[in-house]
Amino acid sequence: EVQLVESGGLVVQPGGSLRLSCAASGFKFDDYAMHWVRQAPGKGLEWVSLIDWNGGTTDYADYAKGRFTISRDNSKNSLYLQMSSLRPEDTALYYCAKGYCGSTSCFMENWGQGTLVTVSS
Amino acid sequence: QSALTQPASVSGSPGQSITFSCTGTTSDVGNYNLVSWYQQHPGKAPKLMIYDVTKRPSGVSNRFSGSRSGSTASLTISGLQAEDEADYYCCSYTGRTPSWMFGGGTKLTVL
Repeated sequence: EVQLVESGGLVVQPGGSLRLSCAASGFKFDDYAMHWVRQAPGKGLEWVSLIDWNGGTTDYADYAKGRFTISRDNSKNSLYLQMSSLRPEDTALYYCAKGYCGSTSCFMENWGQGTLVTVSS
Repeated sequence: QSALTQPASVSGSPGQSITFSCTGTTSDVGNYNLVSWYQQHPGKAPKLMIYDVTKRPSGVSNRFSGSRSGSTASLTISGLQAEDEADYYCCSYTGRTPSWMFGGGTKLTVL
């Protein structure tokens, strides 16, 4: 069974930094791309970032470029999101999602339960 | 980059069929067969319901189906049930950076 468990969410002051983690199990982690998706309280889903199976390709939403860094450690079956220069509008539940991508197919297949980041003074 | 456009809310009675729309552009929804739909119940993680515009993951009821016309993708639920009451989000690959985009979500109310 695929399991994705996020951690690292905290209350942090504006301008601060935080690293989120996602522990994966139940599948061959280094075969899959991974995503971060966030959801502000009472709002919709918002795509944050993507990393391919070996970390060679990454992509970010415009608001995340230059502030967030996605990475992974395949030896630890773990995904990370380093966030800096945090703003109140970054307050959200952050989900990690397992991405499936084949030759003609690509989607977010499984999701964790999320970790809450609150940016407030 | 704007989100995909979804109606804020729809409602229907048990047993009815209901369709959600998701409008993008010829650069994303209209250009790639990579539209997916996610169901989210309150306080729960999103769940994949449809991928690649029309495909249904194993375990998802065949009451859920997807389609596309031009730059608008659609999710149809037939035989509406109370348990279908949730938020529904579409998502599309864009082929550029940022490479993925969600719609704003549609809240389904089962009357």
